[in-house]
Amino acid sequence: QQQVKQSPQSLIVQKGGIPIINCAYENTAFDYFPWYQQFPGKGPALLIAIRPDVSEKKEGRFTISFNKSAKQFSLHIMDSQPGDSATYFCAASMKTSYDKVIFGPGTSLSVIP
Amino acid sequence: DAGITQSPRHKVTETGTPVTLRCHQTENHRYMYWYRQDPGHGLRLIHYSYGVKDTDKGEVSDGYSVSRSKTEDFLLTLESATSSQTSVYFCAISEGRPTDTQYFGPGTRLTVL
Repeated sequence: QQQVKQSPQSLIVQKGGIPIINCAYENTAFDYFPWYQQFPGKGPALLIAIRPDVSEKKEGRFTISFNKSAKQFSLHIMDSQPGDSATYFCAASMKTSYDKVIFGPGTSLSVIP
Repeated sequence: DAGITQSPRHKVTETGTPVTLRCHQTENHRYMYWYRQDPGHGLRLIHYSYGVKDTDKGEVSDGYSVSRSKTEDFLLTLESATSSQTSVYFCAISEGRPTDTQYFGPGTRLTVL
């Protein structure tokens, strides 16, 4: 029940396309859902995060859609650029787990010119 | 990398030898974490600390120990390294709860032969 599933494992899109990465969870106690972006040779960095009381959050070209009833959330990248090529991790955490964030396995995104 | 350094950045060692990885922060954040990153598994929490001398186990703590004698330093020790501990290790810090942003260090690539 602690697992966060993520798909696809890898994704290739043309510049300007809209890659979509999907995540799903089982534990309804999760109450915070961050997305992290990781470039090769670097540590992950927080990209955007959402709480279950909203269905969508947008920051620049990045949008999280959240479906509480389906226990699913997804990341959309509008007008993708080659500089967006990275590995993306969804994650989930809950207040009662006292400082534990559960990460999905990651999606490797390549945006080709 | 938000004032976080990890040392060493790369290490090759032999099975059965002890190994200590160091994480140093200059942000005075209360919480510190050690993760390992393996293909297909995302990031998995090894141990975390919620204050000086206050630590607890994460998801994959077997074979690892930690110590935190100062706010700024969090050490991860592999008592007797095994090949299954070959991985990239990331340190992270956060100011408060997991709903606060976690900032990751640059990582340490460890190879156990």
